[in-house]
Amino acid sequence: AQSVTQLGSHVSVSEGALVLLRCNYSSSVPPYLFWYVQYPNQGLQLLLKYTSAATLVKGINGFEAEFKKSETSFHLTKPSAHMSDAAEYFCAVSDTGGFKTIFGAGTRLFVKA
Amino acid sequence: DTAVSQTPKYLVTQMGNDKSIKCEQNLGHDTMYWYKQDSKKFLKIMFSYNNKELIINETVPNRFSPKSPDKAHLNLHINSLELGDSAVYFCASSRSRGGETQYFGPGTRLLVL
Repeated sequence: AQSVTQLGSHVSVSEGALVLLRCNYSSSVPPYLFWYVQYPNQGLQLLLKYTSAATLVKGINGFEAEFKKSETSFHLTKPSAHMSDAAEYFCAVSDTGGFKTIFGAGTRLFVKA
Repeated sequence: DTAVSQTPKYLVTQMGNDKSIKCEQNLGHDTMYWYKQDSKKFLKIMFSYNNKELIINETVPNRFSPKSPDKAHLNLHINSLELGDSAVYFCASSRSRGGETQYFGPGTRLLVL
């Protein structure tokens, strides 16, 4: 069975500071891993996706994530936070065979001026 | 053009009523989903359809009945609404089975009084 754990339901950073959102996964087969972002009163949209092509994945809006198999982690980072990054972030895991994507509980990112 | 659309956007109703939410995607995708997001932002899969066939039915009360008249549409009918049904319901679609990016609609905010 697959699962996702996001460490920290809330993360607060200052504008211009490093953003680090943590995600650990569990999967018995090589996983596909995703980060989605949800802005207030909107649906989720894809930030980036790992499909085994490269361990460092670059996404939209300056975000990137690194797949570390030995640590079963897929942490999301951005070098410099902007106010517009304030949103809910979801890590998710899927496999190629099934139809189900498992979402983490989400991390709310606050950006202070 | 909206890729995944849902109607209505807001739904306020009394306990015991029956209501429907409609979803349409114009991406040519084969797979569609219904998710429920609770007040703590937890996202839970309810149903998934692939080419109009029900693939996932996640221990959802049988008051909830999905229907896919064609690949581009997935509707959700809810009978005898209860207070606990209050949530945001998201429709999503993906090109095919697991491992594919999901595209989410804007959500339907259901409030049961």
